[in-house]
Amino acid sequence: GAVVSQHPSWVICKSGTSVKIECRSLDFQATTMFWYRQFPKQSLMLMATSNEGSKATYEQGVEKDKFLINHASLTLSTLTVTSAHPEDSSFYICSASRGRDRNTIYFGEGSWLTVV
Amino acid sequence: LAKTTQPISMDSYEGQEVNITCSHNNIATNDYITWYQQFPSQGPRFIIQGYKTKVTNEVASLFIPADRKSSTLSLPRVSLSDTAVYYCLVGDMRKLIFGQGTELSVKP
Repeated sequence: GAVVSQHPSWVICKSGTSVKIECRSLDFQATTMFWYRQFPKQSLMLMATSNEGSKATYEQGVEKDKFLINHASLTLSTLTVTSAHPEDSSFYICSASRGRDRNTIYFGEGSWLTVV
Repeated sequence: LAKTTQPISMDSYEGQEVNITCSHNNIATNDYITWYQQFPSQGPRFIIQGYKTKVTNEVASLFIPADRKSSTLSLPRVSLSDTAVYYCLVGDMRKLIFGQGTELSVKP
């Protein structure tokens, strides 16, 4: 099946710094990529939807200046958490859509962010 | 996007069949029903998808009644490795909104 890879799998950063998480579709071109965050024992919360070459669409309550999303190519989207704080510590998951057909949304392995 | 309601948790024993029902009363005509499985610290994994009636693959079956206001994921003969959270999603696959999911615990 299609593979979506995230990097890094886990990262620890100091409060106030920025950290970037990459999401790559390894064997298909992703027209749309999605970013989620998940706190322990909770469901996935959609943060934003990004289409290649255009600005991301953020869900209500998600600060676009804090969570910068770039979808520069059909195989790569990045999430940058700017000026990270301990409350940003979470599991971040990306997914990629091959198109409008069903069965075409694939998820990455997730990235753990810990802000100390 | 249709809202879904699932049981928060379920317990089962190895070898049993497990049925998880999801309610989605305001499902739209173009919406598909998709189930994902998630293990701790991993991304969700696709299990099965359907539009109406019954769909079966190598790991599960999905039963959808005629009114499509609910669906049932059936896992035959579960094993300990099936312990996970199962999510029912309803939509046209352009955007996936996750509900609370069902935490399935399989005991020996």
